[in-house]
Amino acid sequence: QKEVEQNSGPLSVPEGAIASLNCTYSDRGSQSFFWYRQYSGKSPELIMFIYSNGDKEDGRFTAQLNKASQYVSLLIRDSQPSDSATYLCAVSGYSTLTFGKGTMLLVSP
Amino acid sequence: NAGVTQTPKFRILKIGQSMTLQCTQDMNHNYMYWYRQDPGMGLKLIYYSVGAGITDKGEVPNGYNVSRSTTEDFPLRLELAAPSQTSVYFCASLVGGATDTQYFGPGTRLTVL
Repeated sequence: QKEVEQNSGPLSVPEGAIASLNCTYSDRGSQSFFWYRQYSGKSPELIMFIYSNGDKEDGRFTAQLNKASQYVSLLIRDSQPSDSATYLCAVSGYSTLTFGKGTMLLVSP
Repeated sequence: NAGVTQTPKFRILKIGQSMTLQCTQDMNHNYMYWYRQDPGMGLKLIYYSVGAGITDKGEVPNGYNVSRSTTEDFPLRLELAAPSQTSVYFCASLVGGATDTQYFGPGTRLTVL
């Protein structure tokens, strides 16, 4: 059984700060990793995916992957109150994704 | 494109009743998925399909059934509803491939009393 672990939070950061969200996974053979954002009462939406070790940047978001440590992270620079949401880490398997429970992020003005 | 649509948005069932949650996508995606999300518990895969006529169980399939007669539609059937099936149900689809995006429908909030 694949496992994806996330700290449930909430992670509270002030506006303009860097938010760091972390995720670990159990299956060493996993190839692709995804970060989804889910606002309260809404469906998840993809922020980023990463499949190579290192960093991948997209605007204010940076995904980091370390396959040796089985660790994925998401950095949000210049955090905004509109970033307040639950962030779900997902790991690909054969035709399916395994999701973590999500980390709630609260950005205060 | 409407993307992934789900009906109904809300439903209250009595214990023992049955119902079908509808899911339709207009993106010609091969892969479709049904998840349930309980408060604070992330998404659990119920069933998935890699194409018309092909379905497979996910992590929590008990109490549910699916069919995939067309590329567009992937209904989820609940037989003999139980309070443990109270949850939010999401349908998702993607074209295929390890790095493709899963597109989610808006969800169905189901309460079993």
